[in-house]
Amino acid sequence: NAGVTQTPKFQVLKTGQSMTLQCAQDMNHEYMSWYRQDPGMGLRLIHYSVGAGITDQGEVPNGYNVSRSTTEDFPLRLLSAAPSQTSVYFCASSPTGAIGNTIYFGEGSWLTVV
Amino acid sequence: GQSLEQPSEVTAVEGAIVQINCTYQTSGFYGLSWYQQHDGGAPTFLSYNALDGLEETGRFSSFLSRSDSYGYLLLQELQMKDSASYFCAVRDSLSGSARQLTFGSGTQLTVLP
Repeated sequence: NAGVTQTPKFQVLKTGQSMTLQCAQDMNHEYMSWYRQDPGMGLRLIHYSVGAGITDQGEVPNGYNVSRSTTEDFPLRLLSAAPSQTSVYFCASSPTGAIGNTIYFGEGSWLTVV
Repeated sequence: GQSLEQPSEVTAVEGAIVQINCTYQTSGFYGLSWYQQHDGGAPTFLSYNALDGLEETGRFSSFLSRSDSYGYLLLQELQMKDSASYFCAVRDSLSGSARQLTFGSGTQLTVLP
C-alpha cells in the first residue's frame, strides 16, 4: 500500500526557475493539502483541496499554484522560484467523514533555491 | 489569528515519563491532534482529542481542557526510539468542508540512555 507518494525527494533550483512537485495518493481520499516546513518550525498550509476540481488557499499561498484534476493527484507548482521557498514540502491526504480523521503525510520533498 | 505554544525542547531518560504541553489561541476549535516526526521523516498521527479528558493509546496519552485552551501529550516508559519532534495541531475551521490544521512549532524530545 503506497499511501501518499511525493516526487522528487530532493531538488535544487535556480532563482526564477519553475517546477512542479508531484503528489499522488491511492487511498481514495477526498482531502489533499500541501504544507511547507522550515527549520525549527511547524508545518504551514500552502494550498488544499476538498475534492477533484476544487482548490483553495491556505496560510502561505503566494508563489504557488495547485490543481486537482483527479482524486489521486495534487501537484504543487512553483511559478518563479525564490530563495525564500527553500523548504521541505509535505503533501498530505485525509478521508471524508468525522472531524478526527487522521491526516497522512508523504515523505517530503527537500527543495533548495539558489 | 491562530497560535499554538509548546516548549521547544524536552530531555528525559529512558524509562521515564514526560509531558509535552500545548496551549492554543484559535478563532474556532474542532479538536487537538498530536503528531510525531523523526528527523528527515514524515509527520505521523499519534492522537486526537475533541472533548475534555484523557485519551490513552498504549504508552501515549493525550489530554485536553477546552476551558483552559490547553492540552498535553504524555509519554510513558520512554524508549530511545521516542526521540523525535512532537507537534500539537488544532483543527480550527470547518469552512467549506476544509480540514485545515494549524501546527505548533514542535517540541524536540531527546531520550537519554
